[in-house]
Amino acid sequence: NAGVMQNPRHLVRRRGQEARLRCSPVKGHSHVYWYRQLPEEGLKFMVYLQKENIIDESGMPKERFSAEFPKEGPSILRIQQVVRGDSAAYFCASSPESSYNSPLHFGNGTRLTVT
Amino acid sequence: AQTVTQSQPEMSVQEAETVTLSCTYDTSESDYYLFWYKQPPSRQMILVIRQEAYKQQNATENRFSVNFQKAAKSFSLKISDSQLGDAAMYFCAYRSQLQGAQKLVFGQGTRLTINP
Repeated sequence: NAGVMQNPRHLVRRRGQEARLRCSPVKGHSHVYWYRQLPEEGLKFMVYLQKENIIDESGMPKERFSAEFPKEGPSILRIQQVVRGDSAAYFCASSPESSYNSPLHFGNGTRLTVT
Repeated sequence: AQTVTQSQPEMSVQEAETVTLSCTYDTSESDYYLFWYKQPPSRQMILVIRQEAYKQQNATENRFSVNFQKAAKSFSLKISDSQLGDAAMYFCAYRSQLQGAQKLVFGQGTRLTINP
């Protein structure tokens, strides 16, 4: 059984470019969460999505960041016009349902470096 | 909003000894889940142990156990017989039971070093 797959594992972008991070949840999971981890810090919640719906985007920066989880295909976290402060590890997690006692399964993260 | 605090940025322990990592949280909810995750240098987030707030009995998973004090909002992790492979960042996390609010809220982490 494949776990949560994130790609790419490493992504380098120059300032001003766009970054697209992909997350394929565990098969059958319909809930996806994105987190950002700055160096030597904990994971900060960004956005919670179900298929085709954004449930909670309270952690998303107001500008340049967007996320989607289409009916078919992976979830995408998109960062436009990247800046050096966007350099971080971005983690995706999935769960089979919204119940709080269903565990989150994490991917191995995408490390974004902005030069 | 819920918050999770880990007051120990770094801890170290001798191999085979016992170490306790601290975690406190703030919430007005009565039912929720608490977790400890381990993050080795590979960056993978590994679930170590979890505790349902309505259960009074402390969770145990082999060498890992928790001391859950609901009234004090404290959730510490005890690692017995520490092994070199336990070296990692450890994160405490809270999960609400409210619909639409089930995101995990993480603490800042504790870096655990195991001395051979």
